[in-house]
Amino acid sequence: GEDVEQSLFLSVREGDSSVINCTYTDSSSTYLYWYKQEPGAGLQLLTYIFSNMDMKQDQRLTVLLNKKDKHLSLRIADTQTGDSAIYFCAESLSSGGKLIFGQGTELSVKP
Amino acid sequence: DTGVSQNPRHKITKRGQNVTFRCDPISEHNRLYWYRQTLGQGPEFLTYFQNEAQLEKSRLLSDRFSAERPKGSFSTLEIQRTEQGDSAMYLCASSANENVYGYTFGSGTRLTVV
Repeated sequence: GEDVEQSLFLSVREGDSSVINCTYTDSSSTYLYWYKQEPGAGLQLLTYIFSNMDMKQDQRLTVLLNKKDKHLSLRIADTQTGDSAIYFCAESLSSGGKLIFGQGTELSVKP
Repeated sequence: DTGVSQNPRHKITKRGQNVTFRCDPISEHNRLYWYRQTLGQGPEFLTYFQNEAQLEKSRLLSDRFSAERPKGSFSTLEIQRTEQGDSAMYLCASSANENVYGYTFGSGTRLTVV
C-alpha cells in the first residue's frame, strides 16, 4: 500500500543545518516531492526528485534519495528563522497524478 | 493570473447544512485536484479532474461529497448534510498535463462545522 512517514518535530538553531527525514513504502513511486506550509497558507513546492536520481541540490536545499531503503531526506543549509514551517514529503506514482503526503515535520528555528 | 484561487477562505456552518466551495485553477492548467487536510496531518487526496472529466475519487469521498468541473475551468466541491468530522481545510491544486514539477496549491477553504 501507499504510506509516507515523517518525524513530527525538529528544532535547530539559526545558522545550523536541518535534516528532515521521510520514509515511503511504495517502491513504484516515480516522483518524490518536498512541500513547505507556513501558518494559514497553502503548500509551496520546494523541490522534487525523480526516482532514478540519488541526489539533487538547489541552493540551500539538498535532497538525498535511498531507493533501497525507501528513504528521502531534505537538508537545509544555514537554516534561517524564515525557514520555520511544516515540511511535507510526498510521493507520486506518475507525473500529474495524485500525491500521497506524509503527516509533516514541524521545523522550529531558534535565534 | 495570480495562481489558484479558492473561495470562501473560511466557512462556519451548522451540522446538517450543505456547503459548497469553489476553486479557480491557473487558466492553462487542465488538471484540478481536491485534497482535505485535518489538523496535524498531511493533505489527503479526494478527487481529481482532467478538463471536465473526473478521473479518480478517493474512498474518503463519501456519498455526501460531490465535485464538479462542468466546463473544464473552475470546480466546485459540495458537502451535503455536514458532520463535525467534515471540519478541515479543503485544498485545491492545479497542474498542466504531465507536469512533473508538482502542483500549484491554493490557500484553501477552512470549514468549521458546529
